[in-house]
Amino acid sequence: DAKTTQPPSMDCAEGRAANLPCNHSTISGNEYVYWYRQIHSQGPQYIIHGLKNNETNEMASLIITEDRKSSTLILPHATLRDTAVYYCIVRSTVTTSGTYKYIFGTGTRLKVLA
Amino acid sequence: EAGVVQSPRYKIIEKKQPVAFWCNPISGHNTLYWYLQNLGQGPELLIRYENEEAVDDSQLPKDRFSAERLKGVDSTLKIQPAELGDSAVYLCASSYRDIPYNEQFFGPGTRLTVL
Repeated sequence: DAKTTQPPSMDCAEGRAANLPCNHSTISGNEYVYWYRQIHSQGPQYIIHGLKNNETNEMASLIITEDRKSSTLILPHATLRDTAVYYCIVRSTVTTSGTYKYIFGTGTRLKVLA
Repeated sequence: EAGVVQSPRYKIIEKKQPVAFWCNPISGHNTLYWYLQNLGQGPELLIRYENEEAVDDSQLPKDRFSAERLKGVDSTLKIQPAELGDSAVYLCASSYRDIPYNEQFFGPGTRLTVL
C-alpha cells in the first residue's frame, strides 16, 4: 500500500502562495491522491484529488509529478482561515475482499501568518 | 443541503460504562464511514458501510465495539465497555458512492472522554 510522507509543519505569509509537498514514492498506477484539511475542532474537509494530471478547483491546485511519486498542493493566496492540518492521502486499490486503505497519516500543520 | 450530523458532540463517561454515537449522513449518500481520531493523529477507519452492509470492518475492535446502519441511512457506533484508551474523537463521514473519485464529507465528530 502506498504510504505518504509530509513535513510536520509549515508557515506561510498571508496573501502568498502556500505550497504543501507530499511524497508517495510507492504509489501504483491506478491509485488516486487526495488532499483534505482539518481546521481545529472540525471534521476533515475535502480539497482536491488527482490521478495523473494536474488539477485545479476553486480552493487549490494539485501538481502531480510525471512519475507520480510526489505531489504539491498549492493554495494560491493563503488567508488566515487556511490555517489547518493538511492531509495527503493515497487511496489504495480495492482487494478481492472489498477492502482498501485510505490512510490520513499525521499531515502538515500549516500556519498562515498575518 | 444539510451536512453530516453527529450527536452528541461531547460525551464524558466513567470507564466500563457503555456509550453510543449517532450519525445521520447526507441524504442520498450510500456509503458511510466511522473513523477514530486520537489527539495529534489523522483519522483511522473503523468501519465502512455500503447501504446497510458493513463491507469493511477489519479495523473495528469487535470485542467491545459494534456498529449498525439500519435501513441504510442512520448509523450508530457503540462501545461496551469503554476503556480509558477509547478517549478520542469519533468521526462519521459519508459519500455518494464508494468509488475512487468521490470525496468523503465529514461530520464534526463526537469527542469522548473516558474517566
